[in-house]
Amino acid sequence: DGGITQSPKYLFRKEGQNVTLSCEQNLNHDAMYWYRQDPGQGLRLIYYSQIVNDFQKGDIAEGYSVSREKKESFPLTVTSAQKNPTAFYLCASSKTNIGEQYFGPGTRLTVT
Amino acid sequence: KNEVEQSPQNLTAQEGEFITINCSYSVGISALHWLQQHPGGGIVSLFMLSSGKKKHGRLIATINIQEKHSSLHITASHPRDSAVYICAVRANTDKLIFGTGTRLQVFP
Repeated sequence: DGGITQSPKYLFRKEGQNVTLSCEQNLNHDAMYWYRQDPGQGLRLIYYSQIVNDFQKGDIAEGYSVSREKKESFPLTVTSAQKNPTAFYLCASSKTNIGEQYFGPGTRLTVT
Repeated sequence: KNEVEQSPQNLTAQEGEFITINCSYSVGISALHWLQQHPGGGIVSLFMLSSGKKKHGRLIATINIQEKHSSLHITASHPRDSAVYICAVRANTDKLIFGTGTRLQVFP
């Protein structure tokens, strides 16, 4: 089945630790995205990548890093510099940068 | 003021009722999306439209470009329709801007 997978579903970390969230797609999509969702707010764009080995900052990139070494994979690292990392993180992909986006199931990160 | 506003924020209904969720936006757009987020968090795309009206099963989405307004209607609502419905617009800058969502609960 084609789709987007994110792992794990729930993640717990201690403050000060870096953590990497996984996102894989087998839809042969060129563009991939990372969003953060907080209660009472719309999804906010962290980083996006339109093609392998290229990515751009979104609206709230501070404290995060990404890589796009393979078309299928777009991992997100939440660094210790991110002041408020506890949130629900959603990965998405689209065939082109303006195409319909398909979302993964999300990872809920809790940092204490 | 948010560039994409949804109303109401929360909505409860009895099974069988006709439901309307509204979305207003303040930017120029090339397309508008309606998304559904299930309690587990996963998001699925319901509609992408740039004019007129689209229908899929019991769901109908309309858009009025001049009024900068879209509505999502659910006919004969069912408890399985309970979810958060999110409006998102593709701005003319190609940026995707999301509303904060409307939480719908349908009771039997």
